[in-house]
Amino acid sequence: DTGVSQDPRHKITKRGQNVTFRCDPISEHNRLYWYRQTLGQGPEFLTYFQNEAQLEKSRLLSDRFSAERPKGSFSTLEIQRTEQGDSAMYLCASSLPGELSPLHFGNGTRLTVT
Amino acid sequence: DAKTTQPPSMDCAEGRAANLPCNHSTISGNEYVYWYRQIHSQGPQYIIHGLKNNETNEMASLIITEDRKSSTLILPHATLRDTAVYYCIVRTSYDKVIFGPGTSLSVIP
Repeated sequence: DTGVSQDPRHKITKRGQNVTFRCDPISEHNRLYWYRQTLGQGPEFLTYFQNEAQLEKSRLLSDRFSAERPKGSFSTLEIQRTEQGDSAMYLCASSLPGELSPLHFGNGTRLTVT
Repeated sequence: DAKTTQPPSMDCAEGRAANLPCNHSTISGNEYVYWYRQIHSQGPQYIIHGLKNNETNEMASLIITEDRKSSTLILPHATLRDTAVYYCIVRTSYDKVIFGPGTSLSVIP
């Protein structure tokens, strides 16, 4: 079990630029989740996939955000035309499909928009 | 929205038991109680979950009241490495995990 891997760990970008983050889940996990976390708050749900199907999206996920999981393995989260309010930690988690399977989180990508 | 209420912060002396409370007065019959923790600069880590019986694993014990409206996470011998934010979450088996602000536990030498 190599754990959930996220890349990059840190990203600094200028307002208006596009950024893309990658998440590699644990290999046998078919569910994949994206969360966003700002300082002092708990993680906020953004979206989740079962295999390659995106099953739910939060209203927090504006049209500047898009997530994909093309082959049901790794996932990408893209933010277009970044704004300073997008500065946060972006967390990825994966789980087995079973009813009670806990989420396994990566250590996140910290985005700073200047 | 989160369905639980936790104190924002707690202290515990190193080596003593840390008892973290959680209120979930609106819990329904098919909802489980989950606990995660988040150490600074890391992603959340699953600790334990239960439905109505008390549960114990290598990390912690979970005590759920008979009416299921509250629970307590117990770290039997807290160490400095247990300093973290602890999240109590109520969910059905099919729900996404919704985090509240959690309890910031400080273990003091």
